[in-house]
Amino acid sequence: NAGVTQTPKFQVLKTGQSMTLQCAQDMNHNSMYWYRQDPGMGLRLIYYSASEGTTDKGEVPNGYNVSRLNKREFSLRLESAAPSQTSVYFCASTDSLEAFFGQGTRLTVV
Amino acid sequence: AQSVTQPDIHITVSEGASLELRCNYSYGATPYLFWYVQSPGQGLQLLLKYFSGDTLVQGIKGFEAEFKRSQSSFNLRKPSVHWSDAAEYFCAVGAFHKTSYDKVIFGPGTSLSVIP
Repeated sequence: NAGVTQTPKFQVLKTGQSMTLQCAQDMNHNSMYWYRQDPGMGLRLIYYSASEGTTDKGEVPNGYNVSRLNKREFSLRLESAAPSQTSVYFCASTDSLEAFFGQGTRLTVV
Repeated sequence: AQSVTQPDIHITVSEGASLELRCNYSYGATPYLFWYVQSPGQGLQLLLKYFSGDTLVQGIKGFEAEFKRSQSSFNLRKPSVHWSDAAEYFCAVGAFHKTSYDKVIFGPGTSLSVIP
């Protein structure tokens, strides 16, 4: 049972480049989330998906798009990366509010 | 609106000493409370959770937390810290919403260092 799997683990982008962070969970959870983690700021919610085919904005959605492809997969896309998007990104899924996290993607935008 | 504060950004304790990490929350109804631990380079792992019932909850790795409604607190404790407990600790509050998403709000975290 893999839980929540994120790819890639590390990525360096140049300003203006685009990329997609992939996330998949095998726990049959309905709710999935994308967070970013920055020093001293904890985890901030970027986007949320309550179920397949639905997505909603969180606290910091600007510059990001998401896609809930099916119940298992929830991807995060940066269309035009900016240095301010340098962060560690975590995907999570929840079961009755208990969150299960992936290992994270460390993204650097130069 | 939900919010979580962790007053201590960084704490250093000696191995074998007791530990208490503070967490205060703001939420109008009965909260669902969590503590997570994050080891370097890893994702977050659930230590324990409080939904209802006994206000003293036991978790993994010898941790416990006490819910005090009058103080809006959910402090994490461990009687004797091990060097392997050095990590980042996050308190979180969750709530089900009928018209919005099920929200889980995380505190800013407390970094724990352990002196051998």
